[in-house]
Amino acid sequence: EADIYQTPRYLVIGTGKKITLECSQTMGHDKMYWYQQDPGMELHLIHYSYGVNSTEKGDLSSESTVSRIRTEHFPLTLESARPSHTSQYLCASSEWEGAQRSAGEQYFGPGTRLTVT
Amino acid sequence: GQSLEQPSEVTAVEGAIVQINCTYQTSGFYGLSWYQQHDGGAPTFLSYNALDGLEETGRFSSFLSRSDSYGYLLLQELQMKDSASYFCAVRPASGGSYIPTFGRGTSLIVHP
Repeated sequence: EADIYQTPRYLVIGTGKKITLECSQTMGHDKMYWYQQDPGMELHLIHYSYGVNSTEKGDLSSESTVSRIRTEHFPLTLESARPSHTSQYLCASSEWEGAQRSAGEQYFGPGTRLTVT
Repeated sequence: GQSLEQPSEVTAVEGAIVQINCTYQTSGFYGLSWYQQHDGGAPTFLSYNALDGLEETGRFSSFLSRSDSYGYLLLQELQMKDSASYFCAVRPASGGSYIPTFGRGTSLIVHP
């Protein structure tokens, strides 16, 4: 069973508020990811990290920021929430793939379902 | 870049066999993975093909043909609990990021 946690699980917040979505993993994985997913739709990568003090933006511009001060912790911050940010946010982690035959399996957290009113 | 195509929806009856296809256009990749996601849940890893051929894990099998730019997930003895979305993903071999690219997902509906 994967040990990756996200809080809160559900959040309803007003427009303009600043929010931080928490993600922690206890597997010692170097790589961590944030995805945005609307119901029944594809996964959109918004941020990823190779390790401490390493963060990169993904394919989707989400007006959010991330930090990676500790290996196990990868929080996502929305400085000013908007209704267009309403979605599910999934955090994932994986080991650094050392070999071609490694799957680079991603372990996903349970997600945070965000509603911005 | 990478692009993966999957059917949006597949339906089947309990006990049957179903195949979910994934065709891709990519400049190079290490392997093809499959993930399962139930409604409201998180994706979970199912299988990985680094080499051409069939990989079997219980009722699920996955196949890859690099020459045909094609793979599929085969589910046998379908059960109601197999109703979920299934995503294929590739891990690129170029660019250095090794970040997987996911397909749009296939919704599998299993009827009694």
